[in-house]
Amino acid sequence: DAGVIQSPRHEVTEMGQEVTLRCKPISGHNSLFWYRQTMMRGLELLIYFNNNVPIDDSGMPEDRFSAKMPNASFSTLKIQPSEPRDSAVYFCASSGTSYGYTFGSGTRLTVV
Amino acid sequence: RKEVEQDPGPFNVPEGATVAFNCTYSNSASQSFFWYRQDCRKEPKLLMSVYSSGNEDGRFTAQLNRASQYISLLIRDSKLSDSATYLCVVNFPTLAGGYNKLIFGAGTRLAVHP
Repeated sequence: DAGVIQSPRHEVTEMGQEVTLRCKPISGHNSLFWYRQTMMRGLELLIYFNNNVPIDDSGMPEDRFSAKMPNASFSTLKIQPSEPRDSAVYFCASSGTSYGYTFGSGTRLTVV
Repeated sequence: RKEVEQDPGPFNVPEGATVAFNCTYSNSASQSFFWYRQDCRKEPKLLMSVYSSGNEDGRFTAQLNRASQYISLLIRDSKLSDSATYLCVVNFPTLAGGYNKLIFGAGTRLAVHP
C-alpha cells in the first residue's frame, strides 16, 4: 500500500497566484481530511469528505479556499488568490472504518 | 476554551526518565481518543488509541478520565528516539450526525538527552 500521496511536496509561489494541492487517499478509505499546520495555530482541520461528499467545511478560513473530491481516489485543495499568511504545511489524511487517520507527507507551501 | 488543550512543553528529560503528558478536551460527547507522534518536518503518526480502562503498549501507557475529560500518556524508560512532539487527539461529533472529526491538540514537545 502506497499510503496517502500528496503533491507537490514543496510549493513556492508569489502572492496572488493560484495554488492547487493534490491528494490521493488510501484505496478503500471513505473519509478524507485536509489539515493545515503552522507554528502558531498547530494542526487545524479545514474540511473533510465522506464518500466524496463534503461533510464539514467550517474550518476553511475564507472564500479564497476551496476543496473538491471528484472521485474516491482524488482530492484537491485550491487557494485563489494566495497570500503570505497562507504559508503552512498542508496535510491530507484518509480514514477507513476505524477512527485512526493516515496522513500524507504534506505539502509545504510558501507564499512570497 | 480550546477544544483540546495540552501543555506545549518542551519537556527536556534524560534517557531513562519517566515523563507524563496531560490533555483536556471540551466535548463531553467525545468517544474516541488517541495519541499521535510527530517528528520534526514529518507527518503525524498514530502512536496508540486510548481506552476507558487504560491501556499499555510497551513503555507507553495511556489513561482516560471521562468525568474530568482528561487524557494522559506516560512514557517509561525514555529513549533518545522518543524525542518528538506528542499530539493529543479527540473525536468530536459533528452537527451532521453520524460523522466524527478528529481534533488535534497543539502538541507537547519532548526532548530526551543522553
